[in-house]
Amino acid sequence: EAGVTQSPTHLIKTRGQQVTLRCSPISGHTSVYWYQQALGLGLQFLLWYDEGEERNRGNFPPRFSGRQFPNYSSELNVNALELEDSALYLCASSLGQNQPQHFGDGTRLSIL
Amino acid sequence: QKEVEQDPGPLSVPEGAIVSLNCTYSNSAFQYFMWYRQYSRKGPELLMYTYSSGNKEDGRFTAQVDKSSKYISLFIRDSQPSDSATYLCAMSAVGGNNRLAFGKGNQVVVIP
Repeated sequence: EAGVTQSPTHLIKTRGQQVTLRCSPISGHTSVYWYQQALGLGLQFLLWYDEGEERNRGNFPPRFSGRQFPNYSSELNVNALELEDSALYLCASSLGQNQPQHFGDGTRLSIL
Repeated sequence: QKEVEQDPGPLSVPEGAIVSLNCTYSNSAFQYFMWYRQYSRKGPELLMYTYSSGNKEDGRFTAQVDKSSKYISLFIRDSQPSDSATYLCAMSAVGGNNRLAFGKGNQVVVIP
């Protein structure tokens, strides 16, 4: 069974640009989550999507947004990139609410 | 007070030793408790998943939850060099939130 897959693996952007990260969940999983893992800060919850709807949002500005498609894959969009957005962005999926979350290997985003 | 506290200090042990890791938390609503293992340049891998208080054993791994003390532990018996990784505790509350709150992680090195 394929795990959570994320693309691209690495990205380099400059301040002010926009970026889109992609995630495909484990087959059969309907919930997708996004987390940010910045150096020294640990994993911080960004967004939760289930059945195409945004269900919960972490303490991040509105320039972080996303969506979930009918096939349950998801995108994370970040606008007006700032230096502190440099981090590993991790996607996770689960069968549903309060089920174990399984992570992909992330997209490493570097802002110059 | 942070929601989840995990002493991030690195831990070096000789091969075959018992590794003991722990986290404390402040949010009494947390009911689901997890331990993840993260290798360098990889996403977190779910090791243990428990609900409410008690012990759970899976091979060389034992997870303990003491909700009265708001304290969780992970023990790794007969540690192997392949156990060298960062270990993250995570927890979530019952209900519609589904957000995982993470500790900062413990880097463990098992010396052959």
